[in-house]
Amino acid sequence: ETGVTQTPRHLVMGMTNKKSLKCEQHLGHNAMYWYKQSAKKPLELMFVYSLEERVENNSVPSRFSPECPNSSHLFLHLHTLQPEDSALYLCASSPDRANEKLFFGSGTQLSVL
Amino acid sequence: GENVEQHPSTLSVQEGDSAVIKCTYSDSASNYFPWYKQELGKGPQLIIDIRSNVGEKKDQRIAVTLNKTAKHFSLHITETQPEDSAVYFCAASIAGGGADGLTFGKGTHLIIQP
Repeated sequence: ETGVTQTPRHLVMGMTNKKSLKCEQHLGHNAMYWYKQSAKKPLELMFVYSLEERVENNSVPSRFSPECPNSSHLFLHLHTLQPEDSALYLCASSPDRANEKLFFGSGTQLSVL
Repeated sequence: GENVEQHPSTLSVQEGDSAVIKCTYSDSASNYFPWYKQELGKGPQLIIDIRSNVGEKKDQRIAVTLNKTAKHFSLHITETQPEDSAVYFCAASIAGGGADGLTFGKGTHLIIQP
């Protein structure tokens, strides 16, 4: 186990649904990240939180809304998604934003119908 | 921005043989190069990394080499075993860029044939 837990593992949703992805880290880290992983493409950084403050969003569409209530928990709220948003969504943490070593969760495999 | 190219996309080797995965990067200011292994159903896991002040680093059966002049770095796995089957990702970042400065390659699917 990496110390980063993501739920649910799998999610199927319609384009009009609202759902949330959850991430929890037990490592005492101060930085958390959301990544999108699509087949045959590099990992795409979506959001960065450092000490619960969002520091970057990389021009992600507003249908993705992150929330970081404390340094151990991270959410990704989804609404009005498109089929091309189907992908594996990975949460990661690092000791702090300056530390490059990432600890990933197992991801949520999202399918948008 | 940084661009990382990774080859091959798929690599099949016989158990016991060596495997080599190569990456090139574009930004000469990059100085941190990690490798991640992603097993089926799991997230990527850091297996080895190297900084530009060294040319080679080893950890048991895996090693990474770096050629800063040519801007490429490679992952070497010797005496491959079935548990080495996975997708491997390289990445590069600039000093001070932190984790959010990492640029990843597209990945190499390594298949170990029994």
